[in-house]
Order: sequence, then C-alpha cells, then structure tokens
Amino acid sequence: SYVLTQPPSVSVAPGQTARITCGGNNIGSKSVHWYQQKPGQAPVLVVYDDSDRPSGIPERFSGSNSGNTATLTISRVEAGDEADYYCQVWDSSSDHGVVFGGGTKLTVL
Amino acid sequence: EVQLVESGGGLVQPGGSLRLSCAASGFTFSSYEMNWVRQAPGKGLEWVSYISSSGSTIYYADSVKGRFTISRDNAKNSLYLQMNSLRAEDTAVYYCARANRIAAAGTRWFDPWGQGTLVTVSS
Repeated sequence: SYVLTQPPSVSVAPGQTARITCGGNNIGSKSVHWYQQKPGQAPVLVVYDDSDRPSGIPERFSGSNSGNTATLTISRVEAGDEADYYCQVWDSSSDHGVVFGGGTKLTVL
Repeated sequence: EVQLVESGGGLVQPGGSLRLSCAASGFTFSSYEMNWVRQAPGKGLEWVSYISSSGSTIYYADSVKGRFTISRDNAKNSLYLQMNSLRAEDTAVYYCARANRIAAAGTRWFDPWGQGTLVTVSS
C-alpha cells in the first residue's frame, strides 16, 4: 500500500516561514490534502488538491506538490499555528483509498 | 451550518461490541460519500472505513476488516459503524468525516469532521 512520510517535528520562530514535507513515491502525480489538528480538537482541512484553500483559511497557508515531495508552507507563523499537521492522499490504485501521513508537530518557538 | 455529530462511544470489554452513530445536518447527506477515521491516544490519524453516497461501495482498513461494518441511512441523515470483536488496539477517538471530490474518479478530501467519540476497550 501507498506510504506517506512526514518529519515528526518542525520548529519555527514567530514571523518566520514553516515548511512541512510529505514524501511519497511519485506523489506529484497525486492530489495531496493537509489537515491541522490542535490538542483536543478534530482535524481541520487547511489545504486541498495540492494548493487550494478552503474558505476561512488564511492566505498564509499554501501548498505545493512535485516529484516525490508535497509541502505545506505556513508564512508569517503565529503562536496559534502550533498544532499537528497531517497530509493525506486518495490512493485510487487500491481498495484502501485513504492514506494519511504520520503527522508533524509544529512548534512555534 | 454543516455539522457532523458522533455518538455511541464508551467503555467496552475486549471481545465486545459497540455501535457508533454520526448525525449529519446542514447539507444533502445522500449526495456525499462518508468515512470513519480514528486516532489512538497520542497517535496519528488512521482511516477506518469508507461508504459511497448510495451505500453500494464500501472499503475497510485491513486492521478492522471482518470485524467492523459501516452503513448509512440516508432517510435519517445518519452514518453508522458497527464494531464487533473489539480489541485493546481499537481504543481511539472515532471521527466521522464527509468526503469531498471534484470528479467521480478523482481524489477525495475530508471536510468537515465531527468532534469525535471515544471508544475504550479494556477489561
């Protein structure tokens, strides 16, 4: 089955740019979605279809996808961005369909 | 307001059964595919099961196949997860999530998610 690999943690100072990667075999040929999850809360979609933002998500959140790596970029990081972030793809090649990455803890220093 | 509300979680002994429900409101439930996703304490997200809008297509994760059954009642705007032969490793918060897509054969993403219901399997 398809595997998505994320770094366990990323740290960034307020006002700087955070980049969270999601690795997968030829992931650039798939559409990648990103979720933010704060402690005790349900996940929230922040980027879908590689780079589209749902309504209500700040423009500071952006996504890209090419080759074997997809990236969620958070510009001008704020304390409130501290959370776990998960990437996800729909693996149409199998009956399993949905694959999540292991998650990345974003720490705002 | 689009909303999903799960219920039915609780403490159950190993080998026992539990039925989760997810009540949908604020959108045309019968037009959307639905999923269950779980999260063990301190762990990441794990997809559990998928059901098409009509209920005719169903997928399960290998970890629950043969033990869990997903279903839906479009007349009641409700999604269900029947969990049998529960194990300690099934302990998790269970979320229902609506699947969104552009093309029928294309990708899916999840939005919104319910608040989750906790299932604890322990003696």
